[in-house]
Amino acid sequence: GENVEQHPSTLSVQEGDSAVIKCTYSDSASNYFPWYKQELGKRPQLIIDIRSNVGEKKDQRIAVTLNKTAKHFSLHITETQPEDSAVYFCAARSGGSYIPTFGRGTSLIVHP
Amino acid sequence: GAVVSQHPSWVICKSGTSVKIECRSLDFQATTMFWYRQFPKQSLMLMATSNEGSKATYEQGVEKDKFLINHASLTLSTLTVTSAHPEDSSFYICSAAATGGLETQYFGPGTRLLVL
Repeated sequence: GENVEQHPSTLSVQEGDSAVIKCTYSDSASNYFPWYKQELGKRPQLIIDIRSNVGEKKDQRIAVTLNKTAKHFSLHITETQPEDSAVYFCAARSGGSYIPTFGRGTSLIVHP
Repeated sequence: GAVVSQHPSWVICKSGTSVKIECRSLDFQATTMFWYRQFPKQSLMLMATSNEGSKATYEQGVEKDKFLINHASLTLSTLTVTSAHPEDSSFYICSAAATGGLETQYFGPGTRLLVL
């Protein structure tokens, strides 16, 4: 089955800095990669996703890059703000499957 | 985005009782619903996948007789924790994927269960 590794587990940055979270996956058949943000005690919220036919996707301060050859994808947050503080989960889903595999999560702390 | 509700948001119960948690897709039809369990500061652990009108598929290590899942309609799935014990205390989150394809999952707000 799919195995998703996520790093780092904790990331601390100053407000205004950039933050990068990296994930690797094992199943070359995976073709959908969503990123979720979960604030304490709340539901995971989809913030951005990318499909395997695209190398990069951007939405305002958030971008995701995908390297299919290396089987890794990354989340980039620019100009971080305190409200970006949360746990971020990456996930990978194989074609033909409804079931994504989640990474272990990255706790992002943005210091004002 | 699509809206998924979950009820109750909090439940405290005595050991040995059963607790039912409802998950509803409010503005779309969900062929597939997922039930997750999340311990503090940990990732989402998939417990089971349910498809409307059929039996749920449980992940390895999850007791199907303890965690009863029913997905009777395209908008409602229920998880019943039977004979709950303190070790069942956790944050339970459902998610739903729309009918007709491999759509994005949308998560419910979660149910925090505390078993005394």
